[in-house]
Amino acid sequence: GENVGLHLPTLSVQEGDNSIINCAYSNSASDYFIWYKQESGKGPQFIIDIRSNVGEKKDQRIAVTLNKTAKHFSLHITETQPEYSAVYFCAASIDQAGTALIFGKGTTLSVSS
Amino acid sequence: EAQVTQNPRYLITVTGKKLTVTCSQNMNHEYMSWYRQDPGLGLRQIYYSMNVEVTDKGDVPEGYKVSRKEKRNFPLILESPSPNQTSLYFCASSDLLWTGTGELFFGEGSRLTVL
Repeated sequence: GENVGLHLPTLSVQEGDNSIINCAYSNSASDYFIWYKQESGKGPQFIIDIRSNVGEKKDQRIAVTLNKTAKHFSLHITETQPEYSAVYFCAASIDQAGTALIFGKGTTLSVSS
Repeated sequence: EAQVTQNPRYLITVTGKKLTVTCSQNMNHEYMSWYRQDPGLGLRQIYYSMNVEVTDKGDVPEGYKVSRKEKRNFPLILESPSPNQTSLYFCASSDLLWTGTGELFFGEGSRLTVL
């Protein structure tokens, strides 16, 4: 089966710092990777995704990088702002349809101003 | 507005009393799924459905049932709830990857307590 895990359960940064949240996966057949953000009292919200044939994907301040050799992928946030404080979940799927996502346990990002 | 709607949002019940958590989406998504979220365990998939009348077990299906009679609805049924099913439940839907991004749209969550 697949195991997906985050390297750190918590990450604290100052406003304006760059943040990196790393996620490892175990199944080398995984080919779809995705990041979600969950604010208190809400359901997870999609941030960014990447397929295994791509090494990096950017969307404004957010980027995801994939290292298939090391079997990990990372969420990068440039100039982190307080509104980015939330729990971040990574997920991976070996399913070409993107179903049966396996989620990591979450990293709590705290941004202080 | 595109959304996934779950009901009830909060429920306290007793062991053995059957309950249903409803889930409805208005995005014409083929794929729907139920997750439970527990402290320190993240999100774990209970059941999923790739289309009407097609359902499959996720990682933690024991004690749950689902049905997919219509594309928009995917209810979660607890026939005989037990205290270890106390959790925060999320319903989600998406297009399948070959038709869209695979992005999951989550509901607001249903907090269930079984006494």
